Amino acid sequence: EVQLVESGGGLVQPGASLKLSCVASGFTFSDYWMSWVRQTPGKTMEWIGDIKYDGSYTNYAPSLKNRFTISRDNAKSTLYLQMSNVRSEDTATYYCTRGTYYYADVMDAWGQGASVTVSS
Amino acid sequence: DVQMTQSPSYLAASPGESVSISCKASKSISNNLAWYQEKPGKANKLLIHSGSTLQSGTPSRFSGSGSGTDFTLTIRSLESEDFAVYYCQQYNEYPFTFGSGTKLEIK
Repeated sequence: EVQLVESGGGLVQPGASLKLSCVASGFTFSDYWMSWVRQTPGKTMEWIGDIKYDGSYTNYAPSLKNRFTISRDNAKSTLYLQMSNVRSEDTATYYCTRGTYYYADVMDAWGQGASVTVSS
Repeated sequence: DVQMTQSPSYLAASPGESVSISCKASKSISNNLAWYQEKPGKANKLLIHSGSTLQSGTPSRFSGSGSGTDFTLTIRSLESEDFAVYYCQQYNEYPFTFGSGTKLEIK
């Protein structure tokens, strides 16, 4: 069974940094593109970015590119999202997703999400 | 960015009925559109990709149509498990963008 389990969320102060992790199981992690998507409290879904299966290439939403970094450790089957200089508008639930084998940009598996609240 | 306009935002229907949800892109996205289902306490589920291709495991009462800028998700003969929130997403160009969602509730 494909599973994606996010962790690392919580309450963080504005301007701080936070790193989310997503541990994958049930499939060969190193074969798949992975992405991060967030959902705001108002239910707006926003694509954050993705990373190639070998970690050699990343894409980001332009509005987040300067503050968010996606990485992966294939040996640990883990995806990461490093968030820096967080703002109140980064308050959201963050989802780790897997691209399909043939369509890397179609997300066929989602985690349950990690909640991040940015507040002083 | 490609703007995805999804409508309606809310839809009430009864089991057995059919419903349609629209998703319009601000520019042509070919058929690079996916539909997802969101239910409380469950991981989001990919229903359809490439505009009309059912993902493995998606019941045949779901169908997708359209290309270019106009897309539709249709659910025939609604079942209780179909009452959820549905999102469209374009993956034709970066950054990928989502519709605002349609909440389908039981009438």
